[in-house]
Amino acid sequence: NAGVTQTPKFQVLKTGQSMTLQCAQDMNHNSMYWYRQDPGMGLRLIYYSASEGTTDKGEVPNGYNVSRLNKREFSLRLESAAPSQTSVYFCASSPTTGFSGNTIYFGEGSWLTVV
Amino acid sequence: GENVEQHPSTLSVQEGDSAVIKCTYSDSASNYFPWYKQELGKGPQLIIDIRSNVGEKKDQRIAVTLNKTAKHFSLHITETQPEDSAVYFCAASKGGSQGNLIFGKGTKLSVKP
Repeated sequence: NAGVTQTPKFQVLKTGQSMTLQCAQDMNHNSMYWYRQDPGMGLRLIYYSASEGTTDKGEVPNGYNVSRLNKREFSLRLESAAPSQTSVYFCASSPTTGFSGNTIYFGEGSWLTVV
Repeated sequence: GENVEQHPSTLSVQEGDSAVIKCTYSDSASNYFPWYKQELGKGPQLIIDIRSNVGEKKDQRIAVTLNKTAKHFSLHITETQPEDSAVYFCAASKGGSQGNLIFGKGTKLSVKP
């Protein structure tokens, strides 16, 4: 049971380039999330998908797009990367659509550097 | 907007001592408060959580207390061990809105053998 798997683990981009972070979960969870983690800032929610077919903005959505491809997969796209998007990105999932009582399971993280 | 304050940002204790990390939240509708442990190079892992209808919850050496009136909750680790060294994050649910946890900025705990 792999849990939440995200790729790539490391990526260096030039300013203006685009890329997609892939995420898949094998726990049959309904909800999936993308967070970014920056030094001294904790974890901040970029986008989430409460269920297959829906997506919503989180705290810091600007510069990103997401796609809930199916129940298992939730991708994060940077259309035109900027140095401010240098961060560690975490995909996560949870069983139900509500947070009360949910356990959120995180992936191992993707380290992205934009130069 | 909603906010979660976490203190201290760094904490160093001797092996065997207790460690306490405190968080306060601003959203009175928050009703779910998880704690995560993040080891170097890994994703955060849930270690304990508490809901607003409970004041205290314990799991072996870790415990969490919640004071809804004061809007604060704390993580207590007793008999600390070197493997407890990690960054710990508290979080509070964004009341009334599904799909959002507000995280504290983290506490780096170092347990010295």
